[in-house]
Amino acid sequence: GAVVSQHPSWVICKSGTSVKIECRSLDFQATTMFWYRQFPKQSLMLMATSNEGSKATYEQGVEKDKFLINHASLTLSTLTVTSAHPEDSSFYICSAIRTVGGNTIYFGEGSWLTVV
Amino acid sequence: AQKITQTQPGMFVQEKEAVTLDCTYDTSDQSYGLFWYKQPSSGEMIFLIYQGSYDEQNATEGRYSLNFQKARKSANLVISASQLGDSAMYFCAMREGWDTGRRALTFGSGTRLQVQP
Repeated sequence: GAVVSQHPSWVICKSGTSVKIECRSLDFQATTMFWYRQFPKQSLMLMATSNEGSKATYEQGVEKDKFLINHASLTLSTLTVTSAHPEDSSFYICSAIRTVGGNTIYFGEGSWLTVV
Repeated sequence: AQKITQTQPGMFVQEKEAVTLDCTYDTSDQSYGLFWYKQPSSGEMIFLIYQGSYDEQNATEGRYSLNFQKARKSANLVISASQLGDSAMYFCAMREGWDTGRRALTFGSGTRLQVQP
């Protein structure tokens, strides 16, 4: 079964609204989670590194105020797309690292966002 | 410069044959890890195989093997006995600075593999 769960899998929202995507580590604590974005037929691009209890570290070119990341607990990171526009439509996927027993990387199932 | 380069946008292979997906990487770190993932149309990232920079043996996982040539900075994925279910996107990825905490993966552009009956 999945060790990192992402929700929702699919979401459609109207332009101008905000949408929240959750990334949850199910059976381990993750002090660090990563958020990636993937446009159709393209690669995964790192958006930001989510650090538990501190501010996220954003990659160059990623708008901090538009893509709000909160990592309030050791098992949950959220990505909120604020004031969504159609160009924000994409596949968003998170990953988490389980450090116990080695730095194993787990990916969530991903979330398809469509902004209409 | 690209960290991970996959030069094959698409590949075809006949069922039951072997196929090699190319990957070259660029890093100045001594400690790094190389990964291959399979991404079907559903979007999930399925881990296939891992090779550490200090591993002397090529990694193998079932039908998957990684041809690691450190001097050439290449980490090609070999899939033996291809199956129809192997049709998907394949991504090569690298994690640099294993010991320093810079632990996000950097992905290549991917190769779409199509297995033909």
